[in-house]
Amino acid sequence: GDSVTQMEGPVTLSEEAFLTINCTYTATGYPSLFWYVQYPGEGLQLLLKATKADDKGSNKGFEATYRKETTSFHLEKGSVQVSDSAVYFCALRFTGGFKTIFGAGTRLFVKA
Amino acid sequence: GAGVSQSPRYKVAKRGQDVALRCDPISGHVSLFWYQQALGQGPEFLTYFQNEAQLDKSGLPSDRFFAERPEGSVSTLKIQRTQQEDSAVYLCASSMGLAGNNEQFFGPGTRLTVL
Repeated sequence: GDSVTQMEGPVTLSEEAFLTINCTYTATGYPSLFWYVQYPGEGLQLLLKATKADDKGSNKGFEATYRKETTSFHLEKGSVQVSDSAVYFCALRFTGGFKTIFGAGTRLFVKA
Repeated sequence: GAGVSQSPRYKVAKRGQDVALRCDPISGHVSLFWYQQALGQGPEFLTYFQNEAQLDKSGLPSDRFFAERPEGSVSTLKIQRTQQEDSAVYLCASSMGLAGNNEQFFGPGTRLTVL
């Protein structure tokens, strides 16, 4: 079945370090791909998305590129801040579909 | 309100009790989704409403789980005869348009602990 696999955490970085959180997917077809973020005590928020191959989603300095050939959607940020500390979820959904399929989440800690 | 709200935020139940979890979506949002998030895991889809119609309930784990949205706005997720494996955070999300075509806005969740 369709699924999302992302790197296990926690990931601990110093402020201004480069971030990569790996995400790969298995899907029958071509879904839209998403990154959600969950800050402490808050609900899930959409961070960025890409709807087709080679699309790049970006927001708040974060980027991810939809790679069909490697079935990947890795999240990157060039310089993390303490305020980026959160749990990040990779997810997929088919256009018009009811279900969003989430990965297990990766917790990020950024130290000052 | 400004966002999706859920109540209660925390619920402790003894095994065998019935519980009811409430979701207030963003006003005017057609679509409403329920998810279950176990500790350390990502959310898993439970059910989907388009207005008052429950179009997909394939994710409900057993017949002890029941959801309704009788007037197409507020929704209630009811769990009968709770079991320890029901302990999780229950998330509600709403979106403006139909199905999954639009951004989903999530509530803060209800953390259910079954003793």
